[in-house]
Amino acid sequence: SQQGEEDPQALSIQEGENATMNCSYKTSINNLQWYRQNSGRGLVHLILIRSNEREKHSGRLRVTLDTSKKSSSLLITASRAADTASYFCAPKSGGSYIPTFGRGTSLIVHP
Amino acid sequence: EADIYQTPRYLVIGTGKKITLECSQTMGHDKMYWYQQDPGMELHLIHYSYGVNSTEKGDLSSESTVSRIRTEHFPLTLESARPSHTSQYLCASSDSQGTAGGNEQFFGPGTRLTVL
Repeated sequence: SQQGEEDPQALSIQEGENATMNCSYKTSINNLQWYRQNSGRGLVHLILIRSNEREKHSGRLRVTLDTSKKSSSLLITASRAADTASYFCAPKSGGSYIPTFGRGTSLIVHP
Repeated sequence: EADIYQTPRYLVIGTGKKITLECSQTMGHDKMYWYQQDPGMELHLIHYSYGVNSTEKGDLSSESTVSRIRTEHFPLTLESARPSHTSQYLCASSDSQGTAGGNEQFFGPGTRLTVL
């Protein structure tokens, strides 16, 4: 299994602005998942994008995947204070059933 | 309601005590996992199970042990707790198919352990 690396490590924005987080990985993947973690809680699955997909939407979330650059981005549009959390990417390769997680991006949305 | 539960949520104990962190899921998932996470840091996989009577150690060496006697139950035990075990412990589960075959994981709320 491989670990994704999220960038930036921390992001601070005002409510209503868009937030973009990036994820890079090293080897080819079957899919890539994004999770959110509120402070002191478990992770919550947000969205999955397959290796043959380039873009996916879910509500205010937009995920892109560029397999040639081995990178993905998560865009949160019109952010809200409730979006304050850490965001993790989890690339999934080969037959591995186990996502691995980096340090995440800590997002703070100021009201 | 299908969910994954962890108890206790918070635990403060003295060095040398034996503790068991409980994890149960009602989703019928075959795979279960334990992660350890320090504040602001990555999650480290310490144990996982592909099904009943199947347990494996994860990437991070841990002095804890696990058992999987029932599908829904995956407890983690520390025989003799030490201050270095102070951390948050997250339990997760997934099924073989997951969301469109993606093996989406469902996480419990975590147990924050402090060993004095």
